[in-house]
Amino acid sequence: GQNIDQPTEMTATEGAIVQINCTYQTSGFNGLFWYQQHAGEAPTFLSYNVLDGLEEKGRFSSFLSRSKGYSYLLLKELQMKDSASYLCAVRTGAGSYQLTFGKGTKLSVIP
Amino acid sequence: EAGVVQSPRYKIIEKKQPVAFWCNPISGHNTLYWYLQNLGQGPELLIRYENEEAVDDSQLPKDRFSAERLKGVDSTLKIQPAELGDSAVYLCASSLDDTDHEQFFGPGTRLTVL
Repeated sequence: GQNIDQPTEMTATEGAIVQINCTYQTSGFNGLFWYQQHAGEAPTFLSYNVLDGLEEKGRFSSFLSRSKGYSYLLLKELQMKDSASYLCAVRTGAGSYQLTFGKGTKLSVIP
Repeated sequence: EAGVVQSPRYKIIEKKQPVAFWCNPISGHNTLYWYLQNLGQGPELLIRYENEEAVDDSQLPKDRFSAERLKGVDSTLKIQPAELGDSAVYLCASSLDDTDHEQFFGPGTRLTVL
């Protein structure tokens, strides 16, 4: 089976930078996703990494190290609207994929 | 472009009653997913459809849960009979196909079983 671990909660200050870590143990790794989910709403796609390295998209960046089974999501210039849960999800398989989500990290941005 | 549509948004039923959830995926998306999400947890896959075929239903409790995707478009997820532990949010998602990077999620149906 898959094992995905991320912190339960984090708090950061508006305008600051926060890094949310995700570690995973899996077989047949085929990509790592980050989703954002505001309370009571649907998850929305943020980023996708399949090769090692950093993917940057505006204020959000995501990093992957496949050898270490490790990823992080970096949020810069935090805004109050960034308060949400951030879900790490690992895709496995070949030809027929399965996406397994972590429990999510609830980020609270404070003034 | 319209997103994934789900109904109802909220449902409250008594245990042992049946309940059904409906999902309309994004037009042109061949792959449809049903997830269950408990409070403070990530979504867990129940079933995945490629067009009208259920290709992964290994996590679906088949004694009480059933799903269908007639004509490969809309889908219905049913629970009969519902149990207290079924209280959760049921999310529907769709993607262009199984290899597509991004899944688009609907707003979910919040089920409360009393």
